[in-house]
Amino acid sequence: EPEVTQTPSHQVTQMGQEVILRCVPISNHLYFYWYRQILGQKVEFLVSFYNNEISEKSEIFDDQFSVERPDGSNFTLKIRSTKLEDSAMYFCASSEMRDSTDTQYFGPGTRLTVL
Amino acid sequence: ELKVEQNPLFLSMQEGKNYTIYCNYSTTSDRLYWYRQDPGKSLESLFVLLSNGAVKQEGRLMASLDTKARLSTLHITAAVHDLSATYFCAVDLLTGANNLFFGTGTRLTVIP
Repeated sequence: EPEVTQTPSHQVTQMGQEVILRCVPISNHLYFYWYRQILGQKVEFLVSFYNNEISEKSEIFDDQFSVERPDGSNFTLKIRSTKLEDSAMYFCASSEMRDSTDTQYFGPGTRLTVL
Repeated sequence: ELKVEQNPLFLSMQEGKNYTIYCNYSTTSDRLYWYRQDPGKSLESLFVLLSNGAVKQEGRLMASLDTKARLSTLHITAAVHDLSATYFCAVDLLTGANNLFFGTGTRLTVIP
């Protein structure tokens, strides 16, 4: 069964460093999302992406964040200068269509630890 | 401010018992999702509810949606240990981008 994959599974970085989190959405899906979950808390929406541009972003998704689909398969989230409070699990999700019964399928997540 | 609140936050129940998890939300929406998350794992889709009065069942879980009351329920019948997990409801904000606003989560522990 097709699934969303994410790499790395765990990323440790120093405060102020740049990190890139990678995702490979399900191949026939057109809509892509990033969410984050701080340990023990709820899942929070960051950004949605369609047709090579951002559809919507939350207040969390400030200028330090960017997303890109560099090729036909990868979808990346970049944090330019990490802060301690960026430590969280980052989930990528994809869906086939936006206005349908299709649900969002989540990847296994990348645990980001900022020291 | 949009709120999606789940009740209870923690639930410990014995195998074989029934219980209901409630999800209240403060915005107008007719799309609600239920996800399951095992510790350290990703989110697994359980149900998609797309209209008022929608009811879906899968095994020992049944979900319903009342858009007028802005309430969804997840009912557990004859719980088994394998159902132990955290359950999240999520509301589609209907902004056009299908962004999900997640609830606080309910951590369910089923005791043998």
